[in-house]
Amino acid sequence: EAGVAQSPRYKIIEKRQSVAFWCNPISGHATLYWYQQILGQGPKLLIQFQNNGVVDDSQLPKDRFSAERLKGVDSTLKIQPAKLEDSAVYLCASSYTSGRQNTGELFFGEGSRLTVL
Amino acid sequence: DAKTTQPPSMDCAEGRAANLPCNHSTISGNEYVYWYRQIHSQGPQYIIHGLKNNETNEMASLIITEDRKSSTLILPHATLRDTAVYYCISPRRYAGNMLTFGGGTRLMVKP
Repeated sequence: EAGVAQSPRYKIIEKRQSVAFWCNPISGHATLYWYQQILGQGPKLLIQFQNNGVVDDSQLPKDRFSAERLKGVDSTLKIQPAKLEDSAVYLCASSYTSGRQNTGELFFGEGSRLTVL
Repeated sequence: DAKTTQPPSMDCAEGRAANLPCNHSTISGNEYVYWYRQIHSQGPQYIIHGLKNNETNEMASLIITEDRKSSTLILPHATLRDTAVYYCISPRRYAGNMLTFGGGTRLMVKP
């Protein structure tokens, strides 16, 4: 079974530039998550999708971050303009959800490491 | 989500059992306990979860106290490849799978 795919693995940009990260979840997984992990900290949830709808985006800095999952499969996370404090690993995860039965088992990709100079 | 508390770091000798504690004193009746681990430069990996009964799988065992205020993840025979950060998480059962990660425990398995 193919895992969660993310690209690019590494990205270096200057502050005020824009960047986009792509995620392809495991086939059949309705729920997709984007997490931000700053060095030395645990992952922080940015946004959660159920199919193509947003379930939770309360911790997404909406003035500069945006995310979409138009067809309920792939997702893109964009940052524009980037700040120095956005340097982090951006993790995508997916999970299988059937009605109200949440397994709680998330499958994570390897992440996209962003460095903002 | 119930707040969880873990020691920041632990050491374990290779081949010995690693016992990682987690305190979740504010847990409510419908909140599960999940354990994930994150090996350096990789995404977190699911290990095990439970509600009130002890659980075992091919990776680990989870022991939950009767009052459910704490739990212990047991790696029965730790290897060097088990060196990682281990996260104990307790989301609400019907909270849409959302997981809030804390700082975790950095386990160092030593030869």
